[in-house]
Amino acid sequence: DAGVIQSPRHEVTEMGQEVTLRCKPISGHNSLFWYRQTMMRGLELLIYFNNNVPIDDSGMPEDRFSAKMPNASFSTLKIQPSEPRDSAVYFCASSFSRPRNTEAFFGQGTRLTVV
Amino acid sequence: DQQVKQNSPSLSVQEGRISILNCDYTNSMFDYFLWYKKYPAEGPTFLISISSIKDKNEDGRFTVFLNKSAKHLSLHIVPSQPGDSAVYFCAASADFGNEKLTFGTGTRLTIIP
Repeated sequence: DAGVIQSPRHEVTEMGQEVTLRCKPISGHNSLFWYRQTMMRGLELLIYFNNNVPIDDSGMPEDRFSAKMPNASFSTLKIQPSEPRDSAVYFCASSFSRPRNTEAFFGQGTRLTVV
Repeated sequence: DQQVKQNSPSLSVQEGRISILNCDYTNSMFDYFLWYKKYPAEGPTFLISISSIKDKNEDGRFTVFLNKSAKHLSLHIVPSQPGDSAVYFCAASADFGNEKLTFGTGTRLTIIP
């Protein structure tokens, strides 16, 4: 299995631009998570989906952030408009959560820089 | 409010010795705990886990200890090897699974040859 695939690996954009991060979870996994890693706050859960349905988006910082999962094999995290404080590494992870629990598998992350 | 705390940002250990990484949590609802390891430019990878019905879980060189009354867990690595140098994240969830993991801020472990 190729694991969780994220694209792009690196993104540099100007403040105010729209940014879209993409994730392909591991085939057969039914839960998908978006995390953000910063020096100050470590790994923060932004949102997670179960069976393509958003379950908890309480970690999404503000309305500029949105996430979708149109099918079991694809998810996007969009930031519009982007701001310099959004600069971080964004991770996508997937797992098979019910009824058999497995640990979450992470992608390699997208390093976002907003200038 | 940080519900999972790793108070040591970094730790250096001599190769062959024991590495002990600590983690404290505040949420009494947490019942499943995990350790993840992260190398630079890679995503975290699962290392070992423990549920609240146990106080110890061992996997090769890695052992996790859970003290529920103190809301404390620790990861022991014996013997430490240079390849163990990485950032270690403690994580917790509240449903005996891994949905909505809450992570600590990580501890950077450096193994000195």
